[in-house]
Amino acid sequence: DGGITQSPKYLFRKEGQNVTLSCEQNLNHDAMYWYRQDPGQGLRLIYYSQIVNDFQKGDIAEGYSVSREKKESFPLTVTSAQKNPTAFYLCASRPPGPSNQPQHFGDGTRLSIL
Amino acid sequence: EDQVTQSPEALRLQEGESSSLNCSYTVSGLRGLFWYRQDPGKGPEFLFTLYSAGEEKEKERLKATLTKKESFLHITAPKPEDSATYLCAVQARNNDMRFGAGTRLTVKP
Repeated sequence: DGGITQSPKYLFRKEGQNVTLSCEQNLNHDAMYWYRQDPGQGLRLIYYSQIVNDFQKGDIAEGYSVSREKKESFPLTVTSAQKNPTAFYLCASRPPGPSNQPQHFGDGTRLSIL
Repeated sequence: EDQVTQSPEALRLQEGESSSLNCSYTVSGLRGLFWYRQDPGKGPEFLFTLYSAGEEKEKERLKATLTKKESFLHITAPKPEDSATYLCAVQARNNDMRFGAGTRLTVKP
């Protein structure tokens, strides 16, 4: 079945450590997104990519980095510069065509600090 | 500034007790309003898109409506399996997407 796969489901980070969250999709979607979800807040956009080898910062990009070397993959690295990384991270993609089509989400990665 | 506010934050219903969830928004040029369902520990699952005031969409016990300032998600005769957090998102003319904080719905048998 086509879909978005995020891994791992749970991740723990030590002080000063960079960690990478995986997002893979087999939907043939060009646009991909990374969001952060905190309790009591709406999803906030970290980075997005409309096409391979191109990406843009979202509202809260500081302390994060991404790459888009393949259409299917959009990994997110949480760097040691992100001082409050504990959150639920969601990856999404959007079908080709008009930009006001709904985004579809993976099942998330929960990141915690050790 | 584009904003989305969902109310109530939490709603507890008895099975069969119909109600509505509200999503109020201010946005520069609405390109679409989206409703999602999110179960604990899972990603949001797409339910509906509404594009213009007056539009309505239905799916099983759920019906979404849209005006120029708000959207309602009506739940008719809910069942315990409808328990989830319901998220609303709006897309502005510049394609920015804004999400509300969600309404946590609990349906008791």
